[in-house]
Amino acid sequence: DTAVSQTPKYLVTQMGNDKSIKCEQNLGHDTMYWYKQDSKKFLKIMFSYNNKELIINETVPNRFSPKSPDKAHLNLHINSLELGDSAVYFCASSPGTDYEQYFGPGTRLTVT
Amino acid sequence: GESVGLHLPTLSVQEGDNSIINCAYSNSASDYFIWYKQESGKGPQFIIDIRSNMDKRQGQRVTVLLNKTVKHLSLQIAATQPGDSAVYFCAENSSGGGADGLTFGKGTHLIIQP
Repeated sequence: DTAVSQTPKYLVTQMGNDKSIKCEQNLGHDTMYWYKQDSKKFLKIMFSYNNKELIINETVPNRFSPKSPDKAHLNLHINSLELGDSAVYFCASSPGTDYEQYFGPGTRLTVT
Repeated sequence: GESVGLHLPTLSVQEGDNSIINCAYSNSASDYFIWYKQESGKGPQFIIDIRSNMDKRQGQRVTVLLNKTVKHLSLQIAATQPGDSAVYFCAENSSGGGADGLTFGKGTHLIIQP
């Protein structure tokens, strides 16, 4: 069984479009995250959600908005996509503080 | 600013040899450190973690060493296998993991030569 899953795995879209990436975890974890990995493989935290409350937002443009319908899901919605948004986006979850994070397989977003 | 970084972008070792991947961090408040392995096309996979009240922790074929004096972290992989080829990241969370995001280093590409 997949612990952290993301859909879609690949997403190709044009500039200016709005798109969403879905994430689900079946681990019963309290906290979920979104990370962005650039072409140089640098991973950077974007958001974290704990019990449906946003904890951090690391200088991410407000075109990006996380949405959590319940504790097992944290979706990422992106408005007005830009070329620079092209990257691999990873969802992750953890049981709470002082525990490792489990990552999903990633979504490769390409904006043309 | 505070950062976590790796010394070498690429490390090539012979199959069966031991490998050491190094990481330096600058945030003295860091108290939780993790090593992740990322294979091509996959998400980061947890390898081992260590807290600041420890200086060594061992897993299966892996050992993490923490030197808080010089803010240095290392990952030792014993008897490397072809499946160990991947990019390895160190990460830290000064708040102790969980609620806040991890700060990742830039990654080291480990190549296992047959």
